[in-house]
Amino acid sequence: DAGITQSPRYKITETGRQVTLMCHQTWSHSYMFWYRQDLGHGLRLIYYSAAADITDKGEVPDGYVVSRSKTENFPLTLESATRSQTSVYFCASSRQGGTEAFFGQGTRLTVV
Amino acid sequence: EDQVTQSPEALRLQEGESSSLNCSYTVSGLRGLFWYRQDPGKGPEFLFTLYSAGEEKEKERLKATLTKKESFLHITAPKPEDSATYLCAVVRYNQGGKLIFGQGTELSVKP
Repeated sequence: DAGITQSPRYKITETGRQVTLMCHQTWSHSYMFWYRQDLGHGLRLIYYSAAADITDKGEVPDGYVVSRSKTENFPLTLESATRSQTSVYFCASSRQGGTEAFFGQGTRLTVV
Repeated sequence: EDQVTQSPEALRLQEGESSSLNCSYTVSGLRGLFWYRQDPGKGPEFLFTLYSAGEEKEKERLKATLTKKESFLHITAPKPEDSATYLCAVVRYNQGGKLIFGQGTELSVKP
């Protein structure tokens, strides 16, 4: 199906483990984004990418790593998960900077 | 500092009772303002893009408007299925398309 998909939908991991959240889009959008959503903080940008092999930090990048070797994929890695990274993570893409972004269904991550 | 503020935080309406949600922003070099709808357990769903003061967009019972300092989402004769959290976001020029979100307005429409 066309669109933007995230996997897994739900993940429970232990403190200190490495976790990778996947994001795939079929629109060939240039821009991709990772947000986290927490009660009291709303949606906050973690990292974004303007094109393959171009990434930049957002508002809350510490503890996260991204890569974008192909236009359609934008994985987010938590190198050593902490409880404060328990959140709902959303991936999004947009055709170009400044146009509407379309979001995936989210990954609910719990770090125990 | 860029800031997006939505009000009210929560709004309870009776079916058919029209109202408006507000999004005020303090942004240097606004490129665009976006409205999204988010249902529990789902990702934000795009509704509207507004680029210029005076611009209006409509979709079914929703109408979005934009001024130089704020945007309104007008809901006419709402139905229970309009219950959701409505998010406002802005993007600046030369900022890589990064959306700055408000905290959202949680709308509940009772039959």
